[in-house]
Amino acid sequence: GESVGLHLPTLSVQEGDNSIINCAYSNSASDYFIWYKQESGKGPQFIIDIRSNMDKRQGQRVTVLLNKTVKHLSLQIAATQPGDSAVYFCAENIRGGSYIPTFGRGTSLIVHP
Amino acid sequence: DGGITQSPKYLFRKEGQNVTLSCEQNLNHDAMYWYRQDPGQGLRLIYYSQIVNDFQKGDIAEGYSVSREKKESFPLTVTSAQKNPTAFYLCASSIDRLGQPQHFGDGTRLSIL
Repeated sequence: GESVGLHLPTLSVQEGDNSIINCAYSNSASDYFIWYKQESGKGPQFIIDIRSNMDKRQGQRVTVLLNKTVKHLSLQIAATQPGDSAVYFCAENIRGGSYIPTFGRGTSLIVHP
Repeated sequence: DGGITQSPKYLFRKEGQNVTLSCEQNLNHDAMYWYRQDPGQGLRLIYYSQIVNDFQKGDIAEGYSVSREKKESFPLTVTSAQKNPTAFYLCASSIDRLGQPQHFGDGTRLSIL
């Protein structure tokens, strides 16, 4: 079946570096993508989203890139801080399907001071 | 502030016992969801509701039940038929249309005594 997945389960970076978290999706009908951040013992928080008619979207210190050709999504975090340490999930909504997103397994980001 | 409140934060279940997890939202969202999260795993959908007095099974509904008598409330009952209930349970809500992110509560951690 088609699924959302992540390339790296754990990513370790130094404080101040840029972080890139990747996500592969296989359903070409997906048209809306969301990144969530989940801190330990808490629920996921919305970070940023992107629709399939866009290639790039920027927020505060975060950028999401969408490559529909290779079905790849990435989250870039600039000047990573210890407070960015968390698990990051990507999720997709499928065009014409239900509005319920499909979640990937998550990537754990560890920021070393 | 608007948000989703889950209670209790920690819950223990005895053998053969049913337990109910509370989820309340004041975001005026039509749609509400319950997810189960196991260590190192993504979110798996248990049940969802698009409107009051209506709900649908998700991917892992067996051993669980829900009700949606009020727009702001979507309690989940973990029944004795659920043989492996130990997990982190997350409730979410969203505007009922495609292309909208979900808002999550901070979860309830359920353990077996």
